[in-house]
Amino acid sequence: DIQMTQSPSSLSASVGDRVTITCRASQSISSYLNWYQQEPGKAPNLLIYAASSLQSGVPSRFSGSGSGTDFTLTISSLQPEDFATYYCQQSYSTPYSFGQGTKLEIK
Amino acid sequence: QVQLQESGPGLVKPSETLSLSCSVSGGSISSYYWSWIRQPPGKGPEWIGYIYYGGSTNYNPSLKSRVTISLDASKNQFSLKLTSMTAADTAVYYCARGPYSGSNYFDFWGQGTLVTVSS
Repeated sequence: DIQMTQSPSSLSASVGDRVTITCRASQSISSYLNWYQQEPGKAPNLLIYAASSLQSGVPSRFSGSGSGTDFTLTISSLQPEDFATYYCQQSYSTPYSFGQGTKLEIK
Repeated sequence: QVQLQESGPGLVKPSETLSLSCSVSGGSISSYYWSWIRQPPGKGPEWIGYIYYGGSTNYNPSLKSRVTISLDASKNQFSLKLTSMTAADTAVYYCARGPYSGSNYFDFWGQGTLVTVSS
């Protein structure tokens, strides 16, 4: 099974900051990497698929990059609604697996 | 806009079987894959398995011996059965569309239902 490791586990930042979250796969997954945002008490919401493709309706301040084993999610200028938990998910092979999450908190 | 809604008991006794249903509205269940995903409190999501409209299934090996996912196209819904429940199965259970497209992502999710395993 492919293990997904995110860093950091939590992050404090301010509105307007640029933040980057990292996700590492235990083996190469090409570009089969998706990012989700989860607000408390809600289902995950797809932000980025195929490592760098922006899901329809998602603001352009979100971007993704990487391939192989190392990936990043970048938010270019944090907005108040972006404070949530972010998960990466590998879709290269089953069983599909998620990272443990990165909680983005207001500084 | 596709919408999914889970239904089923919120409390299950140890050793019993969990049965959940997911109703799909705003689109047909045909020609897509449909998954169950769960999330224990404070942890990341765990993919349980999927079913394709045509009936093929794929389960997480960690749960395979206890899981059955089925689909009823006439009702536009699919279901999950998980046997021999223990406290470790306590989680929010989500139904979702996917894996979708060649990138295998999950693009529509239900709101989730909390299932607690306790006597």
